[in-house]
Amino acid sequence: NAGVMQNPRHLVRRRGQEARLRCSPMKGHSHVYWYRQLPEEGLKFMVYLQKENIIDESGMPKERFSAEFPKEGPSILRIQQVVRGDSAAYFCASSPLSMGHNSGANVLTFGAGSRLTVL
Amino acid sequence: EDQVTQSPEALRLQEGESSSLNCSYTVSGLRGLFWYRQDPGKGPEFLFTLYSAGEEKEKERLKATLTKKESFLHITAPKPEDSATYLCAVQSIIQGAQKLVFGQGTRLTINP
Repeated sequence: NAGVMQNPRHLVRRRGQEARLRCSPMKGHSHVYWYRQLPEEGLKFMVYLQKENIIDESGMPKERFSAEFPKEGPSILRIQQVVRGDSAAYFCASSPLSMGHNSGANVLTFGAGSRLTVL
Repeated sequence: EDQVTQSPEALRLQEGESSSLNCSYTVSGLRGLFWYRQDPGKGPEFLFTLYSAGEEKEKERLKATLTKKESFLHITAPKPEDSATYLCAVQSIIQGAQKLVFGQGTRLTINP
């Protein structure tokens, strides 16, 4: 089981460019979450998706950020017109069930992250 | 607003020297409290979930406990490979089970 796969692991963009981060959840997991870790800050929830649906995007900045989880393929976090303040580590996580199911087997598993640097 | 505060920010111990990490939380109805371990350049790795006050869970040299206001991660006779940042997170009934609110972590260093 390959776990949660994120790519690229490192991405450098100039201000104004677009960044696309990809996440393949663990096999059998249909619930995907994106978190952002800014330098010297804790992980912050961004968005929760199921296949073809955005369930909760309350943590997403209102502009320039979007996420999708298509029927086929990985989940994508897209940042348009990047600015220096977008430099951070972006982590994807997945779970087998909605996190509303409190059972020992329903663990939120994180990927290794994508580190975005904006020059 | 749900909040998680971890202390200390950083902790250095000698190998074999036991200690505890603290996670204080304010949450609008606790659904669950989670402990994760994060190594440099990697994603958080799940350790424990605690659901109700009085609950305890153990794994090797780690034991997590929970009260109505805080959780402790006790480390007994640690080894250098236990060096990592330990993250605490809460899941709120009101804010929604899909969001975890994380603390800033405790950076633990175990010297041989």
